[in-house]
Amino acid sequence: SQQGEEDPQALSIQEGENATMNCSYKTSINNLQWYRQNSGRGLVHLILIRSNEREKHSGRLRVTLDTSKKSSSLLITASRAADTASYFCATDNQAGTALIFGKGTTLSVSS
Amino acid sequence: NAGVTQTPKFQVLKTGQSMTLQCAQDMNHEYMSWYRQDPGMGLRLIHYSVGAGITDQGEVPNGYNVSRSTTEDFPLRLLSAAPSQTSVYFCASSTTYSGQRSGNTIYFGEGSWLTVV
Repeated sequence: SQQGEEDPQALSIQEGENATMNCSYKTSINNLQWYRQNSGRGLVHLILIRSNEREKHSGRLRVTLDTSKKSSSLLITASRAADTASYFCATDNQAGTALIFGKGTTLSVSS
Repeated sequence: NAGVTQTPKFQVLKTGQSMTLQCAQDMNHEYMSWYRQDPGMGLRLIHYSVGAGITDQGEVPNGYNVSRSTTEDFPLRLLSAAPSQTSVYFCASSTTYSGQRSGNTIYFGEGSWLTVV
């Protein structure tokens, strides 16, 4: 069963614009991770935010976490065509034995 | 920098055939797992292993078998392929089992595209 659900399912923007993707989850978490998947490739870890953190930055990425709303957002600033990919949030399952992924947001950045 | 290596990249099987998807990692990771990715379904966990000799089922284990005889290798066996097993399969690894709740990064292979006809 899905723990995280991303929104929107698809997002199309122009280069230079900001892209915001949201993730909602169902149960309490210790941390939440975001991954990126280029077409035809494996997933690559982007950033991790722990439950006691509210915001985290990595380059052009900004992740926020609101544990009261059970939601997280990923902001990509000044998007580039190379940011075109699918983005997934992931949280650990209740047993702590695996990462559970959402269905992803497909981002398309046109030049 | 091999990381997680999956073979084959592409495979076509006939219904009822069996095959093994290979996965090897060179990072000395204790934890390894297999996911399948289907359109509109995201990634679903098939099986995982917290160390050599230890395996357990994930969300969708039926029709698949795994073993972990060494730290490096975690093959996924399809016992009798069915069209419903047409999917993209990803192997992944991370440092330690206890790390999932601590937020260890998972490293993914490049995927194996399987079509069952």
